[in-house]
Amino acid sequence: DTAVSQTPKYLVTQMGNDKSIKCEQNLGHDTMYWYKQDSKKFLKIMFSYNNKELIINETVPNRFSPKSPDKAHLNLHINSLELGDSAVYFCASSQGIRSNTEAFFGQGTRLTVV
Amino acid sequence: AQTVTQSQPEMSVQEAETVTLSCTYDTSESDYYLFWYKQPPSRQMILVIRQEAYKQQNATENRFSVNFQKAAKSFSLKISDSQLGDAAMYFCAWLLLTSGTYKYIFGTGTRLKVLA
Repeated sequence: DTAVSQTPKYLVTQMGNDKSIKCEQNLGHDTMYWYKQDSKKFLKIMFSYNNKELIINETVPNRFSPKSPDKAHLNLHINSLELGDSAVYFCASSQGIRSNTEAFFGQGTRLTVV
Repeated sequence: AQTVTQSQPEMSVQEAETVTLSCTYDTSESDYYLFWYKQPPSRQMILVIRQEAYKQQNATENRFSVNFQKAAKSFSLKISDSQLGDAAMYFCAWLLLTSGTYKYIFGTGTRLKVLA
C-alpha cells in the first residue's frame, strides 16, 4: 500500500498548455509539500501545506497553484507551461512532531515541456 | 538563511569498502534535525538515517552511521561494507521543527558509485 502516491509518473506536454499533478498520502500526516528537482538533481521546496493551509510559498511563479482539498491531498496545477518547467516534481508528507520527523516522498512526476 | 552544502559531487568506493560522504550546514538555530536520503535510479527518495541535534550520540542504522559535529555544523555519512545496491544519489537534509515553517532544506547531492 503506497504511502505517498502521485500521478502521473510521466507527463509530456507542449508549451503553453495547462497541466495538473495529483498527490495523495495515506499516512495521516498533517503536512504536505511540493519539491522541484532540476536537471542537476537539486531539490528545492516550492510549497508547504499544514492542515490544508499554505504555510510556505518559495517565490514560485504564480503559474503554479497548489490546492489542498483535504489534508490527505495536495495537487499542483501549472498554467501556461514553459520549457524551464521541465523537471521532476516530488510530493512529500511529514507529521512534524519530534517522534516522527521523516518526510515520505512520492515517486516523482517527470514533466517534460516540448 | 539556512544552507546545506555537500562538497563532493561524486564519490566512488570499492565493493565491501567504507566510504564517507560529507555534509555541512549553516544555521543559527539550536534545535533541528538532520537526515540522509538516498535516491537510486528509480527516483524514489528513501530515508537512510536521521539525527536529532539535541542528541550527542551519533545515529547508526546497520551499515550506515553518521559523524555529527554540532559545533562544526558537520554531518557526514559513513557507509561500511559497501554494496552494489548502495549506488545512488545521496542527499543531506536539514529540518527546523520548532519554527512552524516545516521546510526540509536539501544539499546538492553526492553521486555514489560502487565498483565491483
